[in-house]
Amino acid sequence: DQQVKQNSPSLSVQEGRISILNCDYTNSMFDYFLWYKKYPAEGPTFLISISSIKDKNEDGRFTVFLNKSAKHLSLHIVPSQPGDSAVYFCAASPRAGNNRKLIWGLGTSLAVNP
Amino acid sequence: DVKVTQSSRYLVKRTGEKVFLECVQDMDHENMFWYRQDPGLGLRLIYFSYDVKMKEKGDIPEGYSVSREKKERFSLILESASTNQTSMYLCATDTPHTGELFFGEGSRLTVL
Repeated sequence: DQQVKQNSPSLSVQEGRISILNCDYTNSMFDYFLWYKKYPAEGPTFLISISSIKDKNEDGRFTVFLNKSAKHLSLHIVPSQPGDSAVYFCAASPRAGNNRKLIWGLGTSLAVNP
Repeated sequence: DVKVTQSSRYLVKRTGEKVFLECVQDMDHENMFWYRQDPGLGLRLIYFSYDVKMKEKGDIPEGYSVSREKKERFSLILESASTNQTSMYLCATDTPHTGELFFGEGSRLTVL
């Protein structure tokens, strides 16, 4: 039973538009959420995180929104660039820094078309 | 910058062979992780080590063992490789301050 769900396996967006990647979770004990980005034949790299005490965190073109009551988070990329084409993983943990308990979604493959 | 180096990017092995996957990190971090990534299954934790000679099973440890004799090196061992262990293997370490995971480039293992 997946505790972290990324229901869209793939997403295609035009360059310059907004990309919205969604993630749902079921475990109310999750307190810390992260997004990682992965290019083919490379390891994932950390993108952005959010603690449950916040509902928004922004870093440049990337913003993560958290709706705790809906157990839903989303990653917004504005404006999208072709270099953003990658697989994006959502992950959740009961506590910041507790990577032993990190639960991963299956990923969403984003294609940004020029 | 944290550097995580995995010794082999691509390996092809035969069923029954013993396989060693090596990982080295250069930041003196205590925690190291081995994951496998498969299409449709995401990242799954195989083993975790929190110090030299200290290890914990992850979610899918069956068919694998690990070794951590030195702090910087974490090895994943497949005692008798099977075709269902064909996968991308990812080693990682995390920072004590932010918990951010740093991954190696991955080792693509094919078992024939």
